[in-house]
Amino acid sequence: GAVVSQHPSWVICKSGTSVKIECRSLDFQATTMFWYRQFPKQSLMLMATSNEGSKATYEQGVEKDKFLINHASLTLSTLTVTSAHPEDSSFYICSVDRGNNSPLHFGNGTRLTVT
Amino acid sequence: KNEVEQSPQNLTAQEGEFITINCSYSVGISALHWLQQHPGGGIVSLFMLSSGKKKHGRLIATINIQEKHSSLHITASHPRDSAVYICAAIYGGSQGNLIFGKGTKLSVKP
Repeated sequence: GAVVSQHPSWVICKSGTSVKIECRSLDFQATTMFWYRQFPKQSLMLMATSNEGSKATYEQGVEKDKFLINHASLTLSTLTVTSAHPEDSSFYICSVDRGNNSPLHFGNGTRLTVT
Repeated sequence: KNEVEQSPQNLTAQEGEFITINCSYSVGISALHWLQQHPGGGIVSLFMLSSGKKKHGRLIATINIQEKHSSLHITASHPRDSAVYICAAIYGGSQGNLIFGKGTKLSVKP
């Protein structure tokens, strides 16, 4: 069964609004989770590393004030896309860091469409 | 620069055929992952390799450290194997340094 739950699986929002995406680790207390973005026919790209109890680490080119990450508990990280713009339309997916010798565990992803 | 190159980009096969997908990477990886991405977007981990060969059902993954190359094989392919297969390499021992290939879109025809 799924060990990472991501919600919602798809969302359509209007330009200028904010959207929150949740990533839950169901069977593991995760101090670190990762958020990725995938544009059509492109590779997955790491956006940020979510750290429980501290600030997220953002990759170069990712605006931290636009993509707010909160990791307030060991089982939940949230990504909020603020003031969404059509260019933010993409597939967002999270994963849980279970250690370097572990398989990767991803959520099912969220397809965001900004109109 | 840490890179992961996959080939082919697209692959169409007839049911029952033997499939091979290739992945090349730069030096310095600590592990290599093969992932399967379903049409809806969900990603499933197939294999994690640091050396040798692993087998799970009809899937086989191999890695050649000297040649910096890995292959994913599917024996007796089936239409339900149709998906995007992604090679991903971990550099420097941290999942935060995970580099993904662009994926291989496999379509198996009945």
